[in-house]
Amino acid sequence: EVQLVESGGDLVQPGESLRLSCAASGFTFSSYVMSWVRQAPGKGLEWVSSISMSGGDTYYADSVKGRFIISRDNSKNTLYLQMNSLRAEHTAVYYCAKGHSSSWGVPYNCFESWGQGILVTVSS
Amino acid sequence: QSLLTQPPSASGTPGQRVTISCSGSRSNIGTNYVCWYQQLPGTAPRLLIYNSNQRPSGVPDRFSASKSGTSASLAISGLRSEDEADYYCAAWDDSVSGWVFGGGTKLTVL
Repeated sequence: EVQLVESGGDLVQPGESLRLSCAASGFTFSSYVMSWVRQAPGKGLEWVSSISMSGGDTYYADSVKGRFIISRDNSKNTLYLQMNSLRAEHTAVYYCAKGHSSSWGVPYNCFESWGQGILVTVSS
Repeated sequence: QSLLTQPPSASGTPGQRVTISCSGSRSNIGTNYVCWYQQLPGTAPRLLIYNSNQRPSGVPDRFSASKSGTSASLAISGLRSEDEADYYCAAWDDSVSGWVFGGGTKLTVL
């Protein structure tokens, strides 16, 4: 059974940094594209970032480009999201998601499995 | 403003068939596959449709989807109370090199 467990969420002040982790199990982690998707309180889903199977290719939403960094450690079956210079508008539940196909790259991989989500609150 | 446009709400009675539309452009739906997600209240989203019209294992065949040009639609037949949820479409957008979501449609089962 696929399991994705996010951790690292917290209440932080504007300008601070935070690193989210997503521990994966139940599948061959290194064979799948992984992504982060967020949902602000009462709002819809927003894609944040995706990373290729090897970690060599990364993609970011314009709203986080230059501020967030996605990475993965295939030896630890773990996905990360380093979030820097956080602002109030980054407040959201952040979901870790696994791609649906081990054969295709980021643009062709829907988000098949999702973690339970982790809350990041940015407030003074 | 989302690059994919969905109606904010939809409704139907038990047993009915409802459809939810998703309008995009050539750079997203017109060129790439569409995904559909269901989000029940207080839970993580669930993949309903991939590759525009394929259902993952475990998704009932009451859920179907299609794509034509720059628009897509999700159909739910034999509507049940447990289908009451938010539904989102998504597609890769070549112009922004990223995934874009529709604003979501809240489905109410009357």
